[in-house]
Amino acid sequence: DTGVSQNPRHKITKRGQNVTFRCDPISEHNRLYWYRQTLGQGPEFLTYFQNEAQLEKSRLLSDRFSAERPKGSFSTLEIQRTEQGDSAMYLCASSSAPGRDHNEQFFGPGTRLTVL
Amino acid sequence: SQQGEEDPQALSIQEGENATMNCSYKTSINNLQWYRQNSGRGLVHLILIRSNEREKHSGRLRVTLDTSKKSSSLLITASRAADTASYFCATDSGSARQLTFGSGTQLTVLP
Repeated sequence: DTGVSQNPRHKITKRGQNVTFRCDPISEHNRLYWYRQTLGQGPEFLTYFQNEAQLEKSRLLSDRFSAERPKGSFSTLEIQRTEQGDSAMYLCASSSAPGRDHNEQFFGPGTRLTVL
Repeated sequence: SQQGEEDPQALSIQEGENATMNCSYKTSINNLQWYRQNSGRGLVHLILIRSNEREKHSGRLRVTLDTSKKSSSLLITASRAADTASYFCATDSGSARQLTFGSGTQLTVLP
């Protein structure tokens, strides 16, 4: 399967704990995005990488959130000191450079986080 | 923040009927995309329409774009029970080319 993969698919944690999610994009895609989706809403943009550089962060990304893409391949999203309001589906998407495919983004299955 | 608003929020039709969903957005765009999401799953890309295009077809899907009204519509013809899902429009804008999604239309196709 050459699609976008995310691990874990589900994570249940207690408030105050740290969690880390992983995203493996489509191998030839240099652009990687993280989104968050709460129940009944569309996804909201969190942050964007082009290769290993984190080029944009949403104001939704508080200082408890950090994302990395160390070698321009997989990415991790860490949430420190989780709060109940962090409960959501975290989606990763990848795309190749616009102009070739007009930024069609391919989404992974998501990681559903539940903070108790 | 959500840029787009889908209308209606929920739509229930019989198999074989056509389904039309509308989307409005607020800012200028590079392109507009429609995605489908089955319950609790990831998003599947359906179709992309560029800002200089007015209409596009893909199989049973027809998308229109009116940039003067900042609106788009998605038509699914001859619907099937398997089309039951949430449908989102997303605009591509900004320096990061991030997608800004609407709140979605929940489509239910009854067999």
